Amino acid sequence: GAVVSQHPSRVICKSGTSVKIECRSLDFQATTMFWYRQFPKKSLMLMATSNEGSKATYEQGVEKDKFLINHASLTLSTLTVTSAHPEDSSFYICSAEPLKDGTYEQYFGPGTRLTVT
Amino acid sequence: QKEVEQDPGPLSVPEGAIVSLNCTYSNSAFQYFMWYRQYSRKGPELLMYTYSSGNKEDGRFTAQVDKSSKYISLFIRDSQPSDSATYLCAMSPRGSQGNLIFGKGTKLSVKP
Repeated sequence: GAVVSQHPSRVICKSGTSVKIECRSLDFQATTMFWYRQFPKKSLMLMATSNEGSKATYEQGVEKDKFLINHASLTLSTLTVTSAHPEDSSFYICSAEPLKDGTYEQYFGPGTRLTVT
Repeated sequence: QKEVEQDPGPLSVPEGAIVSLNCTYSNSAFQYFMWYRQYSRKGPELLMYTYSSGNKEDGRFTAQVDKSSKYISLFIRDSQPSDSATYLCAMSPRGSQGNLIFGKGTKLSVKP
């Protein structure tokens, strides 16, 4: 149980284009999903917290107009990197928190490797 | 001082060894402590989840939390080559939904 999928797993795009990444919780419902970015040899950095049916909360330094997040349902959140640039190349990972009181377990997707040329 | 400190390694051990992985932290508000395993080019996988101080055992894995010292550990017994991965500690303040703070991760290599 507690499986999170991401699509696509890898994407290469040209500078200036937009890329959409999907995050799905396959066997549980999640009111909250999280988007992280991980650079090589660095830890995961939280970008934003996404709650179903409401606007995402972005961490300091993360541009909300560049990284658009939509949490359309209890099992799906999307991250759109708009007007991507080479410095946006990174490993993007989502996680989902099951609907359980009193626990803060997060289950991670397999990640999406974005390369902007 | 960073909130969570973790030695990045790399740590190399022979198969069958006991592995000890550690993190220290500075924020006394942290109440939830997790260990994740991340294989190369994959997302982190939740291994252990502990609330407050104490020990928790699951198979070959034991997680320890010492809140007085602000120190957490993950022990792996009878280590296997398949345990080779990066291990990330993560923690969260009580009442802060999902706000996980991660260590940088320790890269472990178990040699056959």
